[in-house]
Amino acid sequence: AIRITQSPSSLSASTGDRVTITCRASQGISSYLAWYQQKPGKAPKLLIYAASTLQSGVPSRFSGSGSGTDFTLTISCLQSEDFATYYCQQYYSYPLTFGGGTKVEIK
Amino acid sequence: QVQLQESGPGLVKPSQTLSLTCTVSGGSISSGGYYWSWIRQHPGKGLEWIGYIYYSGSTYYNPSLKSRVTISVDTSKNQFSLKLSSVTAADTAVYYCARGVLGSGWPLFDYWGQGTLVTVSS
Repeated sequence: AIRITQSPSSLSASTGDRVTITCRASQGISSYLAWYQQKPGKAPKLLIYAASTLQSGVPSRFSGSGSGTDFTLTISCLQSEDFATYYCQQYYSYPLTFGGGTKVEIK
Repeated sequence: QVQLQESGPGLVKPSQTLSLTCTVSGGSISSGGYYWSWIRQHPGKGLEWIGYIYYSGSTYYNPSLKSRVTISVDTSKNQFSLKLSSVTAADTAVYYCARGVLGSGWPLFDYWGQGTLVTVSS
């Protein structure tokens, strides 16, 4: 199975900050990576797929980049509603696997 | 707008079978094109894909759970179901149903149910 290592596991930031989260795959996955946002007690929400394509309705302050093994999710100007846990998922090969998550907390 | 809703017992005894159903509204399972999935999240932990079913009945399961998992579909009720046998405390988790869309040869998940907590305890 492809292992996805997400870093950092948590970070503290302030509203207005630029935040970057990284996922590294144990082998190349082309651009077959998705990003999800999960708030406490809620289901994950799809933010980005194909590494950089924004899901409909997702604010443009979210962006994704990368291919191969290294990927990045960037929030350009953190808003209060962005404090959540973020997960990446590879859909390049079976079995589908997720990163361990990054919790974005208020500084 | 597609909606998914999990239902089933919140408490299961060890060694028994966990059974959950996901009811889909706002779209038909039998229209095809989607991969109806189960994903779980252990308390305070990350996400684990369990498996999925296509409307035709074809399934794929996570190898780590394959020997204990069965996913089935009832297109007449627009539902799909999960059975996980021989459960232990390690199967205590929030179970989500989700709609998978093909991103390459494999799906990503664009709609999710709210999740249901299943506790395995005697």
